[in-house]
Amino acid sequence: GNSVTQMEGPVTLSEEAFLTINCTYTATGYPSLFWYVQYPGEGLQLLLKATKADDKGSNKGFEATYRKETTSFHLEKGSVQVSDSAVYFCAETQGGSEKLVFGKGTKLTVNP
Amino acid sequence: DSGVTQTPKHLITATGQRVTLRCSPRSGDLSVYWYQQSLDQGLQFLIQYYNGEERAKGNILERFSAQQFPDLHSELNLSSLELGDSALYFCASSPLGQSNYGYTFGSGTRLTVV
Repeated sequence: GNSVTQMEGPVTLSEEAFLTINCTYTATGYPSLFWYVQYPGEGLQLLLKATKADDKGSNKGFEATYRKETTSFHLEKGSVQVSDSAVYFCAETQGGSEKLVFGKGTKLTVNP
Repeated sequence: DSGVTQTPKHLITATGQRVTLRCSPRSGDLSVYWYQQSLDQGLQFLIQYYNGEERAKGNILERFSAQQFPDLHSELNLSSLELGDSALYFCASSPLGQSNYGYTFGSGTRLTVV
């Protein structure tokens, strides 16, 4: 079945550092791609999404671009804050598919 | 508040017992999805219901079952519990039967089997 591979964490950064979390997918065709964020003790929240090639999803300073040629959807933020500390999940779904397939998650800690 | 309500938030029970987890989807959402989150397996899709009917099945054990009621709330029943069933169980909902637009997740039920 389809799978999503994320860079392994944990990732520890200082405040205002640049963040990249790599994500690649295996679904063929044109899946929809997502980044979810999970803060401690909470459920997953949709951070951003892209539904077709070359689309850029963005939210709260985070961005990710759907790269069909490299089957990637890397998450980036130019200047992280302590409040960005959380676990980030990349996910995919095929058009018409009934489920999201998640990566294993990457834990980010941002120190002041 | 995401609009998806899960109860209870925490559950501690003994091996061999049976528990029921409850989920109320966001208003207007017809689809409910159940996921299990554990440290070693990550987020595993269990099952999906759409407007009362089972729509898709994932890695759900035979000891587990679910249903969606006419008012669209859903219950996940876990029986003959084992230590390895200890995990966070998430419910999510979406407006239609497709997940292209993403889900809205509840805050989860933490199950501890002792």
